[in-house]
Amino acid sequence: GQQLNQSPQSMFIQEGEDVSMNCTSSSIFNTWLWYKQDPGEGPVLLIALYKAGELTSNGRLTAQFGITRKDSFLNISASIPSDVGIYFCAGQLRGGATNKLIFGTGTLLAVQP
Amino acid sequence: NAGVTQTPKFQVLKTGQSMTLQCAQDMNHNSMYWYRQDPGMGLRLIYYSASEGTTDKGEVPNGYNVSRLNKREFSLRLESAAPSQTSVYFCASRVGGTVNEQFFGPGTRLTVL
Repeated sequence: GQQLNQSPQSMFIQEGEDVSMNCTSSSIFNTWLWYKQDPGEGPVLLIALYKAGELTSNGRLTAQFGITRKDSFLNISASIPSDVGIYFCAGQLRGGATNKLIFGTGTLLAVQP
Repeated sequence: NAGVTQTPKFQVLKTGQSMTLQCAQDMNHNSMYWYRQDPGMGLRLIYYSASEGTTDKGEVPNGYNVSRLNKREFSLRLESAAPSQTSVYFCASRVGGTVNEQFFGPGTRLTVL
């Protein structure tokens, strides 16, 4: 099945550093979603993006819907230990079934206190 | 408002045994989904139900059946479990229409020996 290219696969950073991750595809998307998954838990929705160029913040998190509609970016500012987890992007393809999302393979974030 | 709930949280089966994973949502959502999550594979769609009374196959439906019991509940059944079905299973729901955000349950961790 189709999956999104998400990078980096993992990041090991110091507390207080900023973090950037992205998802790219060769296809055009109508929606981009960003989730966080803590160990042993289900994914939790962080940010939803519906318009090309849209920039949306949720606390220290900021996500952008790429102008080409083929990519999305998530930034975390001033990381703290509780930011540890796996971050997933997900998208709904333009012209695709409205019921289905395509998921990235995740970015593992580790924060050193 | 509990969101999406799943039972059981953990399960160990022997090859050939059957079981049903239960999922319920209290958000009055129209669409519900079953995913499996395996290391390095991301989230893969097993089955989904766009609305009460309908079900459709996803990316990896073989070995599974589903029932949309009512608007709240969507169950996943393994008729004859195989070791390849060892995975973490997530249920998700979506309000429907043009809103693509899916909300996930806490997961069921299944091991098939």
